[in-house]
Amino acid sequence: DGGITQSPKYLFRKEGQNVTLSCEQNLNHDAMYWYRQDPGQGLRLIYYSQIVNDFQKGDIAEGYSVSREKKESFPLTVTSAQKNPTAFYLCASSVRGANTGELFFGEGSRLTVL
Amino acid sequence: AQKITQTQPGMFVQEKEAVTLDCTYDTSDPSYGLFWYKQPSSGEMIFLIYQGSYDQQNATEGRYSLNFQKARKSANLVISASQLGDSAMYFCAMRSGGSSNTGKLIFGQGTTLQVKP
Repeated sequence: DGGITQSPKYLFRKEGQNVTLSCEQNLNHDAMYWYRQDPGQGLRLIYYSQIVNDFQKGDIAEGYSVSREKKESFPLTVTSAQKNPTAFYLCASSVRGANTGELFFGEGSRLTVL
Repeated sequence: AQKITQTQPGMFVQEKEAVTLDCTYDTSDPSYGLFWYKQPSSGEMIFLIYQGSYDQQNATEGRYSLNFQKARKSANLVISASQLGDSAMYFCAMRSGGSSNTGKLIFGQGTTLQVKP
């Protein structure tokens, strides 16, 4: 089945540690995105990438880093510089330049900092 | 600045009744797209319906329809014949920028819908 796979689903981290969230898609989509969701809130864009080896900052990029070495993969690293990293993280992909261009989402990763 | 506003934090509806979830938007781009997503308690985001700014007719997908009023900059979601499985959080989102768009969406704060049996 085609889709987006995020791992791990749940992650606990001690303060001061970097963690990397995995996002893999087999939809052959060019564009990929990372969003953050806090309880009872909407989604805020962290980073996005339209093609391999290129990515742009979203609205809340501070304390995060990404890479896009392969079309299928867009991992997100939450660094120790992120002041409040506890949140639900959603990865998405889309067909670049599509008429509707809806985002297809993974099931999310829930990060808790202890 | 581009913005999506959902003013209803929570809504209740009786099973089998229709419900309208409000969404207003702000953009200066003439070309944009409006989306609605459903987020059940499990967390995944499910795409429901899309409306393009140049579409003449309101979008419909099964029990979902989008009441698009361009002059008022509103894009309300109507769910007909509510079912218990419709209980979830609903997000309105917008993509703007026409042919130069990057595909990224901005989201509203969401509305939690509870369907009563």
